[in-house]
Amino acid sequence: AQSVAQPEDQVNVAEGNPLTVKCTYSVSGNPYLFWYVQYPNRGLQFLLKYITGDNLVKGSYGFEAEFNKSQTSFHLKKPSALVSDSALYFCAVRDPSNQGGKLIFGQGTELSVKP
Amino acid sequence: DAGVTQSPTHLIKTRGQHVTLRCSPISGHKSVSWYQQVLGQGPQFIFQYYEKEERGRGNFPDRFSARQFPNYSSELNVNALLLGDSALYLCASSLMIRQGGFEKLFFGSGTQLSVL
Repeated sequence: AQSVAQPEDQVNVAEGNPLTVKCTYSVSGNPYLFWYVQYPNRGLQFLLKYITGDNLVKGSYGFEAEFNKSQTSFHLKKPSALVSDSALYFCAVRDPSNQGGKLIFGQGTELSVKP
Repeated sequence: DAGVTQSPTHLIKTRGQHVTLRCSPISGHKSVSWYQQVLGQGPQFIFQYYEKEERGRGNFPDRFSARQFPNYSSELNVNALLLGDSALYLCASSLMIRQGGFEKLFFGSGTQLSVL
């Protein structure tokens, strides 16, 4: 069965420091991987996706993610964190057996960036 | 352009009642998906509709049903509400679906359902 794990419930970073939010996946076949962000009282917003190609994917708001097939990981990164990056981050994998919108989400990681 | 809109934003019901949640996708988007997000967890897939046909169903009981209308808007219905149905219900739209399904989803802000 397809699954996604986010091993950290919370990540604390000082503003200006690099940040990493971890994600590992288990999927049969080629993985389609996504990162979404959720701000309080808001829906999820797309950050980036990996389908194929370059293992380093660049996305919105300066975020990037590195796909590592051997470690089955897709960690989200940003070189310099902003206070406004504080939010709930979800890693997700597309269920390859489903043709369209079924995403399998991790449990989420709360990112807190302090001034 | 308007994003995905959901109504109502908040809803309070009692056990055993029925609820209908509504979603309007982004103009031109033909696919709508529904997700349930319980506090402290990631969203769980409930349904996907494309061109008014059900294309996917998650592991939810038959009390949950949905439909898509000719204008591509959608309704999610939940019968015989239980306390455990309390959650944020998210609707997401995408332009189309393709084999492999790698379109990004655009989410609405959700309907917060509280069952007392």
